[in-house]
Amino acid sequence: QAVLTQPSSLSASPGASASLTCTLRSGINVGTYSIHWYQQKPGSPPQYLLRYTSDSDKQQGSGVPSRFSGSKDASANAGILLISGLQSEDEADYYCMIWHSSAWVFGGGTKLTVL
Amino acid sequence: QVQLVQSGAEVKKPGASVKVSCKASGYTFTSYDFNWVRQAAGQGLEWMGWMNPNSGNTGYAQKFQGRVTMTRDTSISTAYMELSSLTSEDTAVYYCARWTLRGDPLGYFDYWGQGSLVTVSS
Repeated sequence: QAVLTQPSSLSASPGASASLTCTLRSGINVGTYSIHWYQQKPGSPPQYLLRYTSDSDKQQGSGVPSRFSGSKDASANAGILLISGLQSEDEADYYCMIWHSSAWVFGGGTKLTVL
Repeated sequence: QVQLVQSGAEVKKPGASVKVSCKASGYTFTSYDFNWVRQAAGQGLEWMGWMNPNSGNTGYAQKFQGRVTMTRDTSISTAYMELSSLTSEDTAVYYCARWTLRGDPLGYFDYWGQGSLVTVSS
């Protein structure tokens, strides 16, 4: 079982909100990790969006709009990237990442389609 | 302005090695760690390892241990990633990325190279 699991795709309408999940493998407690999120558009390297550890310990990437936010769902053992007020330019691949067992681990990525 | 400029595309035969370079400019080269991340076509991101360009210390993902070597030449502000015993599974775009906070997982990858395509084919 992969360390981080993300749904492969998600579709949402312009102006709506999208909630992208990053589920940690059973036995790895989301409460003890910082979840990093990156956005990647075709043909470009990833770009940092934000890090979420808790409501009192979070960081927004430079220039990243506040409509991108992070949270956790402890009951689902998952990190969440919430994008509100979706715009066409938000159409991209989104990757979560954690530091686990002395290595950076990426989720498989979610392709967000805005239509 | 900060820039990471990588070497060009390479085509290698199975069993060969490849060395990808990442030339940094716009900041003090030894002040930030480098990481290498690869991405096969249509696939996700895969972290390979990190290097401290000041000390030369490295840390590699278990998957690549024994097959990857990360080095640097501080005189020309360039980091290198060499991968040996190539197979078709190593065909991917390889990225270098700068880490903002040395030794601190609360940092992030703030600047990335443009990527170097490595194709392994007989």
